[in-house]
Amino acid sequence: EAGVTQFPSHSVIEKGQTVTLRCDPISGHDNLYWYRRVMGKEIKFLLHFVKESKQDESGMPNNRFLAERTGGTYSTLKVQPAELEDSGVYFCASTLGQGSYNEQFFGPGTRLTVL
Amino acid sequence: AQSVTQLGSHVSVSEGALVLLRCNYSSSVPPYLFWYVQYPNQGLQLLLKYTSAATLVKGINGFEAEFKKSETSFHLTKPSAHMSDAAEYFCAVNAGGTSYGKLTFGQGTILTVHP
Repeated sequence: EAGVTQFPSHSVIEKGQTVTLRCDPISGHDNLYWYRRVMGKEIKFLLHFVKESKQDESGMPNNRFLAERTGGTYSTLKVQPAELEDSGVYFCASTLGQGSYNEQFFGPGTRLTVL
Repeated sequence: AQSVTQLGSHVSVSEGALVLLRCNYSSSVPPYLFWYVQYPNQGLQLLLKYTSAATLVKGINGFEAEFKKSETSFHLTKPSAHMSDAAEYFCAVNAGGTSYGKLTFGQGTILTVHP
């Protein structure tokens, strides 16, 4: 069974440009999470989808970030326009159930560098 | 609110020595606790989790952790380090309730194993 995949693995863009990150969860996993790790800091929660609905987007830093999960399968996270402080590693994770005890399966992350 | 503190951003041990990675948490409700490991260029992988059953939790690769409510700790140990244990380790907490699956992470501890 394929794990969580993320694309691209690396992205280098100029300040002011737009970048779209993609996450493909494990097939059948209704719950999808986005996290971010800024260099030197802890991994922080961004948002949580249940199928195509946003369950919790309390961690989204500002309105330059837009997450979608059309059809309840893969998800995209768009940053527009990108700022220097958006640099970091963006992780996606998925779970089958919504219980807090469930293991979250993580993708390898997308390393975003904004110059 | 919940929080996690990992004492020591870097821990160095000799091969065959005891591994002890410290994690303290803060949670207003009984938490679910997790240890994840990240090897280079890979996603986070679950080592073990505490879900209010046994306080001593055994995980993969010979790791275990003990939940101590009185000390609000969930330290990770392994009796004998192996070179392949070199990685970054993350402690995380989920307080359940309306947090659903949202994880709060510690800052991470990089484990180095010397021959």
